[in-house]
This record gives sequence, C-alpha cells and structure tokens, in this order.
Amino acid sequence: LAKTTQPISMDSYEGQEVNITCSHNNIATNDYITWYQQFPSQGPRFIIQGYKTKVTNEVASLFIPADRKSSTLSLPRVSLSDTAVYYCLVVFSSGSARQLTFGSGTQLTVLP
Amino acid sequence: KAGVTQTPRYLIKTRGQQVTLSCSPISGHRSVSWYQQTPGQGLQFLFEYFSETQRNKGNFPGRFSGRQFSNSRSEMNVSTLELGDSALYLCASNFEGGNGYTFGSGTRLTVV
Repeated sequence: LAKTTQPISMDSYEGQEVNITCSHNNIATNDYITWYQQFPSQGPRFIIQGYKTKVTNEVASLFIPADRKSSTLSLPRVSLSDTAVYYCLVVFSSGSARQLTFGSGTQLTVLP
Repeated sequence: KAGVTQTPRYLIKTRGQQVTLSCSPISGHRSVSWYQQTPGQGLQFLFEYFSETQRNKGNFPGRFSGRQFSNSRSEMNVSTLELGDSALYLCASNFEGGNGYTFGSGTRLTVV
C-alpha cells in the first residue's frame, strides 16, 4: 500500500534546528525524494531534492537512509518566516504507472 | 524568468456545470502535472503530461480530464461538478532531470 507518513505539527523556537521526517515504504527505486514548503494561499515551493545519503543546499539538508524508507528534512536555525507547512513528495510505481504522492504535511510553527 | 501561471485565480461554479482551468508552464518545461488540494485530503495527484501525452494518472474519476498542447500549456477539465470538487487546483511544471517541480499559485474553485 502506497503511503507516506509525516507528523501533523511541530513547534520550535527561533534559532533552533528542526528535523521533519517522512516515512515512505516501497517508493520507486529510480525517483527522487523532494520536499516542499507551502504558505497559505500559495503553491508549494521547492526546498530540496535527493536520491540517497545526504544533500545540502543553502536553506536545508536532506538525509535519506540506504533503504530509502524515510527521509528527514533538516532546517538549521529556523526563523519566524519558516512557519509554514512542509510536504515530502515521493513516487510510488506499479508496473509502468507512477503515482506522485505528497505526504500529509507538517505544520511547523516557529515561536519567538 | 516567468513562473508557472494558472488562470483564473478564483472561480465559482454551480453543481452540474463543467469547468476548464489553464496552466502555462515555465518556458522550456515540457512536463506539467496537476494536483487537487483540500483540507481533508491534502495534496492529491491528478495527472501528469509530457510532450502532449498523459504520462501518469492519479485515482480520480473520469470527470477529471486534461490535455497538453504543443507549446506545453495544459488545461484541466472537470465535468458535472460536485460540491466535493471545491478545492485549490495546482499545476506544476518540471524540466526533465531538473530540480523538482515549480508550482503555480493555483486556481481556487468553489462549487455551489
């Protein structure tokens, strides 16, 4: 059964590191794992993408274990403006069909 | 560089009517995908087009259809609207092999 699981919500204080994990069994072996940020009334915005191990860009890091059954988005030193909903996006494949599947989203609230 | 453009931004329709939504991808992007976002179901994949061909399809009834034109612009059509079709419809484009999908701001459809 294609399913992703994310925590519904998380609270953090400014300046702290935040880690959000998405569990995703049996995802397609050849597709990337991608994370998005969404503010109210806007479309999701790309944060980071990876295939395995660790990827880092100027805003986040992404950790993917060897079995690719989960991925962890790491936001260093969050600020109030990082308050948003964060989604993982993975691909489940069945035969030739590919299902692009978003996680249910994690509401991150950054407190002063 | 222009982003993904969706029109219209807001739409109100009556049950039983049909609706067509439009999406213009980023120049050079040939992949366009569509998503429905509701508070109860989250972000759900509708379908993906590449070079005018539907490449993948989510689990939505046949009332939901789409197409892509030679200039990569895409339209999504919903026939015989139901109250439950009220949602934010998001379009995203992707450059094959590039980083993730770029989303538009969506079309907010309200069915009354």
